[in-house]
Amino acid sequence: GENVEQHPSTLSVQEGDSAVIKCTYSDSASNYFPWYKQELGKGPQLIIDIRSNVGEKKDQRIAVTLNKTAKHFSLHITETQPEDSAVYFCAASTSYKLSFGAGTTVTVRA
Amino acid sequence: NAGVTQTPKFQVLKTGQSMTLQCAQDMNHNSMYWYRQDPGMGLRLIYYSASEGTTDKGEVPNGYNVSRLNKREFSLRLESAAPSQTSVYFCASSAGQGPTYEQYFGPGTRLTVT
Repeated sequence: GENVEQHPSTLSVQEGDSAVIKCTYSDSASNYFPWYKQELGKGPQLIIDIRSNVGEKKDQRIAVTLNKTAKHFSLHITETQPEDSAVYFCAASTSYKLSFGAGTTVTVRA
Repeated sequence: NAGVTQTPKFQVLKTGQSMTLQCAQDMNHNSMYWYRQDPGMGLRLIYYSASEGTTDKGEVPNGYNVSRLNKREFSLRLESAAPSQTSVYFCASSAGQGPTYEQYFGPGTRLTVT
């Protein structure tokens, strides 16, 4: 089955700096890669996703890149703000199953 | 529009007790899911329902049962709770059938089994 590994598990950045989270997946059939943000005491919320026919996608301060050959994808957050502090999960999906990474706790220092 | 709602928010059970976690969505979504979240392990799928009237096992179904009561409601039952079922449980729904559609999550139920 699919195995999604996520690094780092924790990330502390200065406000205004960039944050990068990396994930690798094992199943070459995976074709959908969403990123979810979970704030304290809440359920995860989709922030951006990318499909396998696209190499990069950007939405304001967040971007995701996908390298299908190497089977890895990354989340980039630029100009980090205090409200970016949360747990971020990557996921990889085939047509029948969505598998999540273990999560990255991001702390933005003021 | 409340999205996905879950009850209760918190629950403490003794080993061997049973309980049902309730989930409802008001977005007319076809698919619904139950996940558990444990520290360092991300979200793991327990059961899902691709459409009203169907349910299927996920990654970790042992010790759980589900009911898709109607299009809105999807409940998760623990027949005989065990300490290993201490976790945070999330219900989610999506418009399409299958995991390549955005999933909308509820606020979660924190369950402790002593």
